[in-house]
Amino acid sequence: DIQMTQSPSLLSASVGDRVTINCKASQNINKYLNWYQQKLGEAPKLLIYNTNNLQTGIPSRFSGSGSGTDYTLTISSLQPEDFGTYFCFQHNSWPLTFGSGTKLEIK
Amino acid sequence: EVQLVETGGGLVQPGRSLKLSCVASGFTFNNYWMSWTRQAPGKGLEWVASITNSGGSTYYPDSVKGRFTISRDNAQNTLYLQMNSLRSEDTATYYCTRGRYLRDFDYWGQGVMVTVSS
Repeated sequence: DIQMTQSPSLLSASVGDRVTINCKASQNINKYLNWYQQKLGEAPKLLIYNTNNLQTGIPSRFSGSGSGTDYTLTISSLQPEDFGTYFCFQHNSWPLTFGSGTKLEIK
Repeated sequence: EVQLVETGGGLVQPGRSLKLSCVASGFTFNNYWMSWTRQAPGKGLEWVASITNSGGSTYYPDSVKGRFTISRDNAQNTLYLQMNSLRSEDTATYYCTRGRYLRDFDYWGQGVMVTVSS
């Protein structure tokens, strides 16, 4: 199974900050990496698919990059509504696996 | 508008069975792979099962293989998850998800809670 290691697990940042969340796969996942945002009590929402493709309706301050085993989600200028937990997810091979999540708090 | 509405959750004793349903609307159901993903209280996300658009192939992680069965009725735009031999560790919110492109997910339902306890 492919293990997805996310860091940091907790992140506190201010409005306007540039924020980076990392995800490392235990083997090459060929850019089949998505990012989801989840707010408390809600279902996850797709932000980025296949490493760097912005899902329709997602603000352009969100971007993704990476290749091989190392991937990054960047929020260029943090907004108050960006609080929540972020999960990476690999769909390169079965079983599909998620990272353990990064909780983003707004200072 | 894509909508996925799950039903069928509740409290069930260990070793018993439960069947979840997910009614889909707002898209052509039989064009999409569908999946179930769960989240234990206060925990992360775990993929549970996937099914191809025709229903001809299904996929499971080892944690539920042999106990859970995913199926679909394309005429009724409905996805199912039959859960047998339930364990306390199956306690979670179960989400119905639509395949964005085969194996990954774009839209999620609001989730349904399953509690396995005596």
